[in-house]
Amino acid sequence: KAGVTQTPRYLIKTRGQQVTLSCSPISGHRSVSWYQQTPGQGLQFLFEYFSETQRNKGNFPGRFSGRQFSNSRSEMNVSTLELGDSALYLCASSRDSKTEAFFGQGTRLTVV
Amino acid sequence: AQSVTQLGSHVSVSEGALVLLRCNYSSSVPPYLFWYVQYPNQGLQLLLKYTSAATLVKGINGFEAEFKKSETSFHLTKPSAHMSDAAEYFCAVSFISGNTPLVFGKGTRLSVIA
Repeated sequence: KAGVTQTPRYLIKTRGQQVTLSCSPISGHRSVSWYQQTPGQGLQFLFEYFSETQRNKGNFPGRFSGRQFSNSRSEMNVSTLELGDSALYLCASSRDSKTEAFFGQGTRLTVV
Repeated sequence: AQSVTQLGSHVSVSEGALVLLRCNYSSSVPPYLFWYVQYPNQGLQLLLKYTSAATLVKGINGFEAEFKKSETSFHLTKPSAHMSDAAEYFCAVSFISGNTPLVFGKGTRLSVIA
């Protein structure tokens, strides 16, 4: 059974640019959550999608957005990148929000 | 407010010594509880989970955790630390009410000294 796949693994972008990260969940999982992880702030919840609808949202500015497709694959977009957006972005999938989440390897975003 | 607290951002043990990583939650209703491990530049891997069955839960790599309702705790233990256990450990809680996603603790970095 394939795990959660995140692409790309590494990304370098310039301030002001935008970026799109992709996440393919485990087959059959309808919930996809995104997290930002930095040394200073730890693991912070961005948002959760369930059956193509955003069900929960963390405390991040509107520059951070996401969507989920009918096949449960999800993308997150960050516009007008800032240096502080440099982080490991993790995607997790689960059958629903009450069961364990399975994480992808993450996308390491560096903003220069 | 529902929350999860991991005591100690960094724990250091000698190889072969007992590992004890602490996790406490705050909720009026016992939640589902999880422990995850993260190696450098990797995603989080599920170590074990408690979902209201047996209170002593065994996980991978020799780890286990005990759910104690009276103490609202779910501490992670391993009898004998190995060098390969050095990693970051996260406690996570799934609260029963509503559709809120997993809430993670701030993590505990485990160092194992030879």
